[in-house]
Amino acid sequence: GQQLNQSPQSMFIQEGEDVSMNCTSSSIFNTWLWYKQDPGEGPVLLIALYKAGELTSNGRLTAQFGITRKDSFLNISASIPSDVGIYFCAPRQGGSEKLVFGKGTKLTVNP
Amino acid sequence: DAGVTQSPTHLIKTRGQHVTLRCSPISGHKSVSWYQQVLGQGPQFIFQYYEKEERGRGNFPDRFSARQFPNYSSELNVNALLLGDSALYLCASSLGVGLTDTQYFGPGTRLTVL
Repeated sequence: GQQLNQSPQSMFIQEGEDVSMNCTSSSIFNTWLWYKQDPGEGPVLLIALYKAGELTSNGRLTAQFGITRKDSFLNISASIPSDVGIYFCAPRQGGSEKLVFGKGTKLTVNP
Repeated sequence: DAGVTQSPTHLIKTRGQHVTLRCSPISGHKSVSWYQQVLGQGPQFIFQYYEKEERGRGNFPDRFSARQFPNYSSELNVNALLLGDSALYLCASSLGVGLTDTQYFGPGTRLTVL
């Protein structure tokens, strides 16, 4: 099966700090998506990456699709309390209909 | 526009019973996917439907089945419920099934099996 490693598992930061998390795999993917999930809610799409090497920003969020197509990172700058939640990477292979989710990074922001 | 809607929001069943979960996709979306999310884990793919046809199936037993209707809404059925079926069931819709067709998730149905 596909091995997807997401790290760190959890992060405790102060408001205003920058955050970095990543996903690595032994498999090649054609798409990397990043979602955020709040307790009891469905995942909400943050950033979608479709090309190897692509660097995309969405406000304070920046994500990159690794050049090897086996990894991706997500950075959050100047964190705020509403950034609290669980962040998932969800890559997808060509010819496959499914998203493969990492185990998530739980982010806690102290005001 | 309304997002993906799912019903019911919560459900409690006992072992051996069956359950039907429902999903309405975003207007204009023709594909629906189902995922199971066990507490503390990321979602796991169960099924994908496009234009009423099954396009993919994850590693789940035959107790799990689904279908898509002409209006693109979908049902997920689970028979002979086990305690381990307790999870958040998520529905995601997308315009199509291409690599750039992003999946948008609903709020989920929380199923508890006692």
